[in-house]
Amino acid sequence: AQSVAQPEDQVNVAEGNPLTVKCTYSVSGNPYLFWYVQYPNRGLQFLLKYITGDNLVKGSYGFEAEFNKSQTSFHLKKPSALVSDSALYFCAVRGWNSGGYQKVTFGIGTKLQVIP
Amino acid sequence: DGGITQSPKYLFRKEGQNVTLSCEQNLNHDAMYWYRQDPGQGLRLIYYSQIVNDFQKGDIAEGYSVSREKKESFPLTVTSAQKNPTAFYLCASSPGGASTGELFFGEGSRLTVL
Repeated sequence: AQSVAQPEDQVNVAEGNPLTVKCTYSVSGNPYLFWYVQYPNRGLQFLLKYITGDNLVKGSYGFEAEFNKSQTSFHLKKPSALVSDSALYFCAVRGWNSGGYQKVTFGIGTKLQVIP
Repeated sequence: DGGITQSPKYLFRKEGQNVTLSCEQNLNHDAMYWYRQDPGQGLRLIYYSQIVNDFQKGDIAEGYSVSREKKESFPLTVTSAQKNPTAFYLCASSPGGASTGELFFGEGSRLTVL
């Protein structure tokens, strides 16, 4: 069964400092990995994805993520955090079940708090 | 504008009542999904549908039902059999098939059982 782990419930970072939100995954076959952001009482917004190719993926709002196959990780990063980045971040993996149906599994989310 | 519309945004239900949450998309996506979000538990998959007239149970389907009679619509019914229905419900869609694309989400429906 596929799974996603986000080991930190909350990450605190000072404004202007680099940030990292961690994600590890487990899936059969090639991993298709995603990061989403959620603001309070809103739906999720897509940030970036890794399908194939370069291990460093760039996305929206200056975010990027590094795919590491040997460590089965897909950590989200940003060189300089903004207060407006404070939100809930979800890592997700897309796979296929035994019936050939696509399935997307999410982590439990990591709350990012950027301190002014 | 293309997107996913969920309604109502807020819903209150008495115990023992069924309630239906609406999800409509105009993105021409084949696949649609329902997730439930609870604090500290992330998103859990309730049901998903890859094509019209076909749907599959997710991880927590008990007490829920869905239909997919039209490509654009994927309503979720929360039945009285669902023991703890108070939650934030999110509908999503994607191109489906062999697509590796991301999910597109609606703004969610918050259900509270009184």
